[in-house]
Amino acid sequence: DAGITQSPRHKVTETGTPVTLRCHQTENHRYMYWYRQDPGHGLRLIHYSYGVKDTDKGEVSDGYSVSRSKTEDFLLTLESATSSQTSVYFCAISPGQLNEQFFGPGTRLTVL
Amino acid sequence: GEDVEQSLFLSVREGDSSVINCTYTDSSSTYLYWYKQEPGAGLQLLTYIFSNMDMKQDQRLTVLLNKKDKHLSLRIADTQTGDSAIYFCAESSIMNRDDKIIFGKGTRLHILP
Repeated sequence: DAGITQSPRHKVTETGTPVTLRCHQTENHRYMYWYRQDPGHGLRLIHYSYGVKDTDKGEVSDGYSVSRSKTEDFLLTLESATSSQTSVYFCAISPGQLNEQFFGPGTRLTVL
Repeated sequence: GEDVEQSLFLSVREGDSSVINCTYTDSSSTYLYWYKQEPGAGLQLLTYIFSNMDMKQDQRLTVLLNKKDKHLSLRIADTQTGDSAIYFCAESSIMNRDDKIIFGKGTRLHILP
């Protein structure tokens, strides 16, 4: 299995609080992605990174920001969490060859 | 923009073959994938096919690609209870410099005893 971890695995927070999710990889892959998974919507890309300090928006980026200061870490921040951001968040990594993506175990976030 | 469509549910009796279908819109698709998601876990790549291939077989899995109709299917022979999962069809193109993959919404495969 690709070395990819996510922390925390579960989090419950209140509306208006900031939340940061961490994705850590040991594979030295260039690309990292943040998705959210919701019933009826499948996987939706939030943000992705194609290198250190190089990031771009996905299809549902509003309300989220990301940072990648090291190859191995990709942080997703909800500046002020809302109930609509209750979801399961998946990080994925890819070497950029064949575009195969390896997924982390997910973080279940509940915003009350 | 590019889109990938698949039915949301499929029920199959144990021991029968499962066929999960997918259609996509991007005519420049280079790679097409099937990912499997088991309960409480992330997605795992099951198999993939290059767009210049018609078929790929890997043990109980057979992938068929009809590039003209932009139709991809995954056949699972002798379906077992362990095959119960959500299956995602996905595509990407070498024309995409950002290496993004477009995922379908997933087909939940339910195995009947």
